Amino acid sequence: GAGVSQSPSNKVTEKGKDVELRCDPISGHTALYWYRQSLGQGLEFLIYFQGNSAPDKSGLPSDRFSAERTGGSVSTLTIQRTQQEDSAVYLCASSLSTSGASEQYFGPGTRLTVT
Amino acid sequence: GENVEQHPSTLSVQEGDSAVIKCTYSDSASNYFPWYKQELGKRPQLIIDIRSNVGEKKDQRIAVTLNKTAKHFSLHITETQPEDSAVYFCAAIPSGAGSYQLTFGKGTKLSVIP
Repeated sequence: GAGVSQSPSNKVTEKGKDVELRCDPISGHTALYWYRQSLGQGLEFLIYFQGNSAPDKSGLPSDRFSAERTGGSVSTLTIQRTQQEDSAVYLCASSLSTSGASEQYFGPGTRLTVT
Repeated sequence: GENVEQHPSTLSVQEGDSAVIKCTYSDSASNYFPWYKQELGKRPQLIIDIRSNVGEKKDQRIAVTLNKTAKHFSLHITETQPEDSAVYFCAAIPSGAGSYQLTFGKGTKLSVIP
């Protein structure tokens, strides 16, 4: 079946512009996660959705970052007034279980470059 | 919160040799430890995981060991092949209701030299 998909695959934007990143999880997966991966670094947890609810938003780097999920499916991560330090690969993952202790299926990521 | 340290950051081995990657964690409540493999330009994929009720788990050439007392766990790859070349990430999380934040190590870049 279809895996996790993300769009766009690449995004180049000017500093100060807003960007919206999209994630389509595997159908039926209740849990959805957003991570950020900077060059040569590990995966930094940003936010988790259980259904349409995000119990904890403290992983978001600043108030310029926001995320939502609708219909228990598609999620969007929005970065307002982008800065150069926002440049990274943004990865989305989904899992069948709402417990983090289960396999997470990752999307291909969106590579964001802020010039 | 949880802190996961991973070593080494880079590892080069000859084809056929074994590779070992080690991780330590700080939260004694953590009891689920997955390992993800990320090939260049591709998405991370789970290769093996272990829960705290076992000390070792094997899957063909891959094994993971866990020492809860010392709070460390390791990935062992035997008979390495060029296709094992990738970045490997360890992670830890307390399991149970309400646990959702997987904490990753910074990764180990494994190069298998033919």
